[in-house]
Formats: sequence, structure tokens, C-alpha cells
Amino acid sequence: EAQVTQNPRYLITVTGKKLTVTCSQNMNHEYMSWYRQDPGLGLRQIYYSMNVEVTDKGDVPEGYKVSRKEKRNFPLILESPSPNQTSLYFCASSLSNLGQGEKLFFGSGTQLSVL
Amino acid sequence: AQSVSQHNHHVILSEAASLELGCNYSYGGTVNLFWYVQYPGQHLQLLLKYFSGDPLVKGIKGFEAEFIKSKFSFNLRKPSVQWSDTAEYFCAVNAGNNRKLIWGLGTSLAVNP
Repeated sequence: EAQVTQNPRYLITVTGKKLTVTCSQNMNHEYMSWYRQDPGLGLRQIYYSMNVEVTDKGDVPEGYKVSRKEKRNFPLILESPSPNQTSLYFCASSLSNLGQGEKLFFGSGTQLSVL
Repeated sequence: AQSVSQHNHHVILSEAASLELGCNYSYGGTVNLFWYVQYPGQHLQLLLKYFSGDPLVKGIKGFEAEFIKSKFSFNLRKPSVQWSDTAEYFCAVNAGNNRKLIWGLGTSLAVNP
């Protein structure tokens, strides 16, 4: 089944403790992206990747890192989480560049709480 | 700066009522337009999209949207809503840039049975 898999689904952590949220897609998609969703602010893009070893900042990259060493994986790393990073995170992928009208496939989300 | 505006933040309807959710964008060039839906507790999924051709686009579950270029709008419609349409609806635009979508803030729709 074609899907984007995120783990974990829920995560509670403390300030400063490094964490990684994994994202994997099995559709051989070139484009992958991370979003955070906050009430009243909608979806905001954190980072995106056009292909392996190609990553770029989105609208709210501060406090986050990503890597794209393999086509299928696009982990989101919080080196030193802070409470303002408490949010619902979504990973998404697309077959190719979005300018061709390709749709995004979303993961099920990761609800992160930083205490 | 490019932006997407969804005029209705919260909409409450009774079953069988008609629905129209507004979406306007600010960009003068070629656009790809999308509506995504997020059912309670679920991830976002594509409802419909406009890439080219007929400006009246039909999507899943009886939804449709009309691209009106002169009004920079892509409003979502459904003639008769159901309780199962309760969800959050997001309009998104790819505005001449293949790298990202610009998202509206979303509209929360509650349909009362």
C-alpha cells in the first residue's frame, strides 16, 4: 500500500532532549516536506527536499534539522527542543515538483509535546 | 508576498444545507490550486485540484470547485452536506514555484445531523 509513514505518533519529551521524528515513503517520490500545524496558524512548512541530498528551508526552519540521505527517508531532528515546538507535525511527499500539479501524500502526523 | 486567504474560519451547517467555502490567492501568474481535507484525527488528503483545462473541477465525495482567474478565487462547493463532511478544509496554491505550496489557514466545518 502506498503510504507515508511517520513515527512516533505521539511523543512527550522535555526541553533540551534531542529527538528525531522519522518519515518514510514507499512511492519513490522525489519531493518530501515537513509541516507543523498549530491552531489558528494552519500549516507551516519547516523544510523540504527536492531529491536526495537536496534540502531547503521552509517558512519556519529555526530549531529544526533534516537530512535526505536516501530517497525514501526524510527524518526531522530537533537538537534541543523547546516548549514552543509543541505542535502537530506532518510529513508529506509528492512524485515530483509541485509545479506539475502533483498532489501531496501526508503521513498520519506526530503530536509532540515539549515540557 | 504570495498569500492564500480563506474567509470563513468556522462554519456550522445542518445536514442537507449547501456549502461554499471561499479561497482567494494573491499571485498574477500561472497557478495550481488545491483543496485538502482533514477529517477529525486523520491526516490531510486531497479533495480536488486544478492544474489546467476546465475551471470547474469535481473532486471526491460530491465536492467541486471553480477557478475564476479574474477574481483570483477557487471556492469549494457542495450542494448538500452530510454529517461525515465535518472536517477542516485547507486551500493551497502552487504559485509559479515548484518547490512549495502556500496554504490558507483552514476552515473548520461542523455539520449537525
